[in-house]
Amino acid sequence: GQNIDQPTEMTATEGAIVQINCTYQTSGFNGLFWYQQHAGEAPTFLSYNVLDGLEEKGRFSSFLSRSKGYSYLLLKELQMKDSASYLCAVMDSNYQLIWGAGTKLIIKP
Amino acid sequence: GAVVSQHPSRVICKSGTSVKIECRSLDFQATTMFWYRQFPKQSLMLMATSNEGSKATYEQGVEKDKFLINHASLTLSTLTVTSAHPEDSSFYICSARGISDRRTQETQYFGPGTRLLVL
Repeated sequence: GQNIDQPTEMTATEGAIVQINCTYQTSGFNGLFWYQQHAGEAPTFLSYNVLDGLEEKGRFSSFLSRSKGYSYLLLKELQMKDSASYLCAVMDSNYQLIWGAGTKLIIKP
Repeated sequence: GAVVSQHPSRVICKSGTSVKIECRSLDFQATTMFWYRQFPKQSLMLMATSNEGSKATYEQGVEKDKFLINHASLTLSTLTVTSAHPEDSSFYICSARGISDRRTQETQYFGPGTRLLVL
């Protein structure tokens, strides 16, 4: 079956760095996405990785290793507004998104 | 770029009535639109995938006669919840995948969601 695993909840301190991991097993691979979702709102797109390596975009970076079925989202200089759920999703061979359950990130002052 | 709108943002209706939700891609053409449902504190659940001009593909367990989807153009898809019941109360979110450039071809962009409450 298809499976996306990410931690349920993480806590970090304002100004610090946090890494949210995602491992996946899917039928085919056409890219991995990270989305941010604040409570009561729809998800917003953060990043897309289809090749191995690190993609940096401001305070957020996303890493992919296809051979290991592994990705992480790195958030630097954490701000209180970064408190949200972070969703990992993999596009399978049918170009459908398979979603992880999301990681709730709690930022403390 | 890649903005998706959804209307209405919030709707309250009586049990037995039908509710239509619109999803529009504002600055790109969406070949494929997706409808999701999200219950509180749960992940997104894909309900159906619609391609412009063809019938929607529903996920297992989703009643196609209850959740009518029409993808009439490259910028508009509608979801109609027919004969809504309290258990249909949920957060309905659409997303669109486009053709205008590589970025929109591969990425799903989400509408802001519609919160439905059936009394």
